[in-house]
Amino acid sequence: QSALTQPASVSGSPGQSITISCTGTSSDVGSYNLVSWYQQHPGKAPKLMIYEGSERPSGVANRFSGSKSANTASLTISGLQAEDEADYYCCSYAHSSTSVVFGGGTKLTVL
Amino acid sequence: QVQLVQSGAEVKKPGASVKVSCKASGYTFTSYGISWVRQAPGQGLEWMGWISAYNGNTNYAQKVQGRVTMTTDTSTSTAYMELRSLRSDDTAVYYCARDQREYCRGGSCYSSGEFDYWGQGTLVTVSS
Repeated sequence: QSALTQPASVSGSPGQSITISCTGTSSDVGSYNLVSWYQQHPGKAPKLMIYEGSERPSGVANRFSGSKSANTASLTISGLQAEDEADYYCCSYAHSSTSVVFGGGTKLTVL
Repeated sequence: QVQLVQSGAEVKKPGASVKVSCKASGYTFTSYGISWVRQAPGQGLEWMGWISAYNGNTNYAQKVQGRVTMTTDTSTSTAYMELRSLRSDDTAVYYCARDQREYCRGGSCYSSGEFDYWGQGTLVTVSS
């Protein structure tokens, strides 16, 4: 059982927008602006897509955006493309254990 | 360009130990911490711990505390993760990842969970 809760799967058609939620507690997602999101294609290492809740690293398309409200963070992908099909993981610093926790992952299918 | 290159796949028997290396290049090694993250077959990501390459301070996940040791060799810009008393559920791909920044409070620093570069992964199989 993961510390952060994500939906197991989401899907969307090319061009549409989807949002993946990540629910934690006041000890992790709700406490700090230290939420990050990772994209992982099969057999590959994860890739940082969002950090500090809403910041995009250089080179990441502006179709990817992040937000947070209370204990829930969200990743939105607009203008879905076939190459966005992957697993997505949220991640947060956890104050109570001074550790890092991941969500269980969400499989995005582009129909 | 920043690169993290890990050692090759390992097969170990239950009860044995494994030591995985992660050689960094393309940046000042001591300016960033290194975290280790593992992924069991078909499962999600699990953070194992973090080491400051600046001063060697470590912070381990409770699940592996007592069985894991993370170290660095600044002369070769290499980080190591040793896991002891291996069990079958330790079978996983082990990744090293660079923490793009630390989170510091009360005089101590920890991983921020922001991993901007990753190694290619090392498969560790534990089987009798």
